Amino acid sequence: ETGVTQSPTHLIKTRGQQVTLRCSSQSGHNTVSWYQQALGQGPQFIFQYYREEENGRGNFPPRFSGLQFPNYSSELNVNALELDDSALYLCASSLLGTLTDTQYFGPGTRLTVL
Amino acid sequence: AQSVAQPEDQVNVAEGNPLTVKCTYSVSGNPYLFWYVQYPNRGLQFLLKYITGDNLVKGSYGFEAEFNKSQTSFHLKKPSALVSDSALYFCAVRDIGGGATNKLIFGTGTLLAVQP
Repeated sequence: ETGVTQSPTHLIKTRGQQVTLRCSSQSGHNTVSWYQQALGQGPQFIFQYYREEENGRGNFPPRFSGLQFPNYSSELNVNALELDDSALYLCASSLLGTLTDTQYFGPGTRLTVL
Repeated sequence: AQSVAQPEDQVNVAEGNPLTVKCTYSVSGNPYLFWYVQYPNRGLQFLLKYITGDNLVKGSYGFEAEFNKSQTSFHLKKPSALVSDSALYFCAVRDIGGGATNKLIFGTGTLLAVQP
């Protein structure tokens, strides 16, 4: 088991609503990345936070936003939910800047949008 | 652009037999390659990675992977499969075009089914 935790485990929302997912990174890590894994697909990179700033973003619209806090925990916010946002959302932490900057994943949050 | 391909959606193997899960990559420059495993309703667990050095990389739970530069492959192997190895396996490459990030680009996954 990694030290990465996510909450909640499951979430059900309706179209148009907003959602906030939370992640606590592994001790000693300085980055948090978020990935979206749709059913039957590999994870897709949403964005990464380093030192409380977004330092990279994938092909996701601005309604996907995030925060990283001084204790390296993080939030993923999604506004104006769409049906296609239904997916497993994975958080990963790493120690950026070293050859050992492997990303370690949390258990994920399953979001269902009705 | 960096990418990885997993040509098999599913691999079936009998318990005790050797297993191979295939992955090929396309990158510019030296690849940083990873294998992760996902059990049902769980997140991804890191198995092993290749950065540089020995082409045979040993990882968790008895898994190993062979990096082959000429064939641009990074196949996951295990000498003797266990029923508990049944899971979804993902190959990934670090996106060196990802700017300041160490983001990963994943394959589509291969479902490994080990029959008793």
